[in-house]
Amino acid sequence: EAGVAQSPRYKIIEKRQSVAFWCNPISGHATLYWYQQILGQGPKLLIQFQNNGVVDDSQLPKDRFSAERLKGVDSTLKIQPAKLEDSAVYLCASSLIRTGEVEQFFGPGTRLTVL
Amino acid sequence: DQQVKQNSPSLSVQEGRISILNCDYTNSMFDYFLWYKKYPAEGPTFLISISSIKDKNEDGRFTVFLNKSAKHLSLHIVPSQPGDSAVYFCAASGGTASKLTFGTGTRLQVTL
Repeated sequence: EAGVAQSPRYKIIEKRQSVAFWCNPISGHATLYWYQQILGQGPKLLIQFQNNGVVDDSQLPKDRFSAERLKGVDSTLKIQPAKLEDSAVYLCASSLIRTGEVEQFFGPGTRLTVL
Repeated sequence: DQQVKQNSPSLSVQEGRISILNCDYTNSMFDYFLWYKKYPAEGPTFLISISSIKDKNEDGRFTVFLNKSAKHLSLHIVPSQPGDSAVYFCAASGGTASKLTFGTGTRLQVTL
């Protein structure tokens, strides 16, 4: 079974530039999550989709971050304009919707450096 | 407000011995607790979970213990192996298809 795919793996940009990340979840997983992991901290949820609807985006800085999940499969996360404090690893995860199943499967992440 | 805390940033254990990683939480509404392992430049990998209605779950060398009254859980690895060297994250969930709330991680080093 193929895992969660993410691209690019690394990205370096100047502040005020824009950047986009892509995620392809495990086939059949209805729920998709984007987490931000700042160095020395645990991952923190940015946004959660169920199929192509948003379940939770309470921690997403909506003035600069946006995300979409077209057709309930792939997802993109965009930052525009980027700030220095956006330097982090952006992790995509997916999961089934099945009672008692709480495990989330993570992709390798995209490491973003904002200069 | 950190709802899940891992107070030990690092731990060093000799190969063959027991590794004990600890985690505390503050929100009594969490239904499940999970442990993830993370190698550099990789995403977190699921290890083991426990429901809030249980106090112990075992999977091979890994055992998780939950003390609800103390809001504390621990991961035991026996015996520890060099390949276990990684960062371990404790996470809490409100249930199926719920977000995970992570601790800050504990770096485990298993020495020869």
